[in-house]
Amino acid sequence: GDSVTQMEGPVTLSEEAFLTINCTYTATGYPSLFWYVQYPGEGLQLLLKATKADDKGSNKGFEATYRKETTSFHLEKGSVQVSDSAVYFCALRLYSGAGSYQLTFGKGTKLSVIP
Amino acid sequence: DVKVTQSSRYLVKRTGEKVFLECVQDMDHENMFWYRQDPGLGLRLIYFSYDVKMKEKGDIPEGYSVSREKKERFSLILESASTNQTSMYLCASSYLYEQYFGPGTRLTVT
Repeated sequence: GDSVTQMEGPVTLSEEAFLTINCTYTATGYPSLFWYVQYPGEGLQLLLKATKADDKGSNKGFEATYRKETTSFHLEKGSVQVSDSAVYFCALRLYSGAGSYQLTFGKGTKLSVIP
Repeated sequence: DVKVTQSSRYLVKRTGEKVFLECVQDMDHENMFWYRQDPGLGLRLIYFSYDVKMKEKGDIPEGYSVSREKKERFSLILESASTNQTSMYLCASSYLYEQYFGPGTRLTVT
């Protein structure tokens, strides 16, 4: 079945370090791909998305490129801040019928950024 | 801004109790979802609904039921709470593409 695999955490980085969180997927057809972020004590928020191969999603200094050949959607940021400390979820979107879409999530990667 | 609200942030219930978790969205979205979030397991879909009075099972529906009598409200029901249902419960709504999440309800069953 369709699934998402992302790197296990936790990940601890110093402020201004480079961040990569790996995400690969297995899907039939051509899914859309998402990164969601969950700050402490909050629900999930959409961080960025890409709907077709070679699309690059970007937001708040984060980027991810939809790579069909490697079935990957790795999240990157050039210089992390303490405020980026959160749990990051990679997800793919599947059509579930009746005009509705489901999301399949990875297990999440907890990022801690230390000053 | 889309707003998805959940009735409680924290809830403590006893084993065997009937538990209702309420979710309300204010954007007239067709689709609503209930997930549970557990460490190391990520988010797992319990039920979803694509219209009033319509519901579909997700990946882990056992022990849960749902109700959608009005478009803006989607309720998750634990008929007889058990300790293995201690978890964070997240509600979401969407119109076709992006899902918007509520802040979550952390349920503890003792």
